[in-house]
Amino acid sequence: SQTIHQWPATLVQPVGSPLSLECTVEGTSNPNLYWYRQAAGRGLQLLFYSIGIDQISSEVPQNLSASRPQDRQFILSSKKLLLSDSGFYLCAWAPAGPHNEQFFGPGTRLTVL
Amino acid sequence: QKEVEQNSGPLSVPEGAIASLNCTYSDRGSQSFFWYRQYSGKSPELIMFIYSNGDKEDGRFTAQLNKASQYVSLLIRDSQPSDSATYLCAVNGKAAGNKLTFGGGTRVLVKP
Repeated sequence: SQTIHQWPATLVQPVGSPLSLECTVEGTSNPNLYWYRQAAGRGLQLLFYSIGIDQISSEVPQNLSASRPQDRQFILSSKKLLLSDSGFYLCAWAPAGPHNEQFFGPGTRLTVL
Repeated sequence: QKEVEQNSGPLSVPEGAIASLNCTYSDRGSQSFFWYRQYSGKSPELIMFIYSNGDKEDGRFTAQLNKASQYVSLLIRDSQPSDSATYLCAVNGKAAGNKLTFGGGTRVLVKP
């Protein structure tokens, strides 16, 4: 069966510090991978998605970036965090196919102070 | 007009009753439709998905799709307090490629 991992689970960072969140998927090959952010009490905002190694599409221009160095690894980064970057960061994977059913990881709760 | 619309709720339902959630979408070419459950502070969990007109049942959950009217609904039978959560509707639109468009979610409260 497939499993998706995210770490860390929680993170408190000062404004201006760098960020690196990691997501890995087990039990599948060539998945589509996604990064979402959910601000408190708000909906899901798609940040990045990837259909393959080094193939990243950005949905929202901001100070975040994503990379996919391996087939089942997706990394979200920032060089300098802003207060507005606080939120619940979710990684999701979907099998390649016509329906695109997405399965979410446990998430990382980021607080920028 | 939002691409995927849901009533934000809260939808208050007595224990044992049927909860009915609705979702409308704007992309007539949408192909697949998903219902996720999200407990407070947790990540969304896929409950079920549907891609053909009609009903699809899974346990106490039934998804209903009407592409002509561009809506999808979720029925929760014999609602339990553990069903209290936010339910997210998501749509795989024809133009969206590999992406899903999510609604804002409906909060459901099941009262004992």
